[in-house]
Amino acid sequence: ETGVTQSPTHLIKTRGQQVTLRCSSQSGHNTVSWYQQALGQGPQFIFQYYREEENGRGNFPPRFSGLQFPNYSSELNVNALELDDSALYLCASSSTMTGNLYGYTFGSGTRLTVV
Amino acid sequence: GNSVTQMEGPVTLSEEAFLTINCTYTATGYPSLFWYVQYPGEGLQLLLKATKADDKGSNKGFEATYRKETTSFHLEKGSVQVSDSAVYFCALRDGAYGGATNKLIFGTGTLLAVQP
Repeated sequence: ETGVTQSPTHLIKTRGQQVTLRCSSQSGHNTVSWYQQALGQGPQFIFQYYREEENGRGNFPPRFSGLQFPNYSSELNVNALELDDSALYLCASSSTMTGNLYGYTFGSGTRLTVV
Repeated sequence: GNSVTQMEGPVTLSEEAFLTINCTYTATGYPSLFWYVQYPGEGLQLLLKATKADDKGSNKGFEATYRKETTSFHLEKGSVQVSDSAVYFCALRDGAYGGATNKLIFGTGTLLAVQP
């Protein structure tokens, strides 16, 4: 069984630019969530995708957007990057199928630095 | 809203010492509770979980018991090893079953450093 893979692992962007981060879900998982982890903090929920639609969102502005594809992989897009967007972005997949709801598998993350 | 509070670190212990990392939560209803571990430069790994009151989650010598009366989920290990050095996050699952938002709410993390 494959785990969650994220790309790229590291990224440096300039303030005002746009960035796309990618995530491949674990096999058999149909739900993807994205989290932002600032240095020294716990992860903060950005949003969740299920059946290719956003079905939950944390306290993040609209310039954070996402997509989920038919194969359950996902993208996180951030427009108009700000210095405070520098963080580790984590993708987590899970399944709403019986018996596995509580299993979240996290990727290793993408470290985004905005300069 | 729902929240998780865990003890601040760093926690520095000698090898084979007893570990306790405190975690308390505020939530409506009966959330599921988790401990995750993050090794340097890596993502989060699920360490253990408990889904209802009085459940005990355990894994790799770590244990935590879901205490509804004290709204706590303290992490314990009887004898820590250098390889246990990592950041530990307490979390609760917030949301209804089945397709609705099932976000995790995390504490701020506790750094554990185990010295030989």
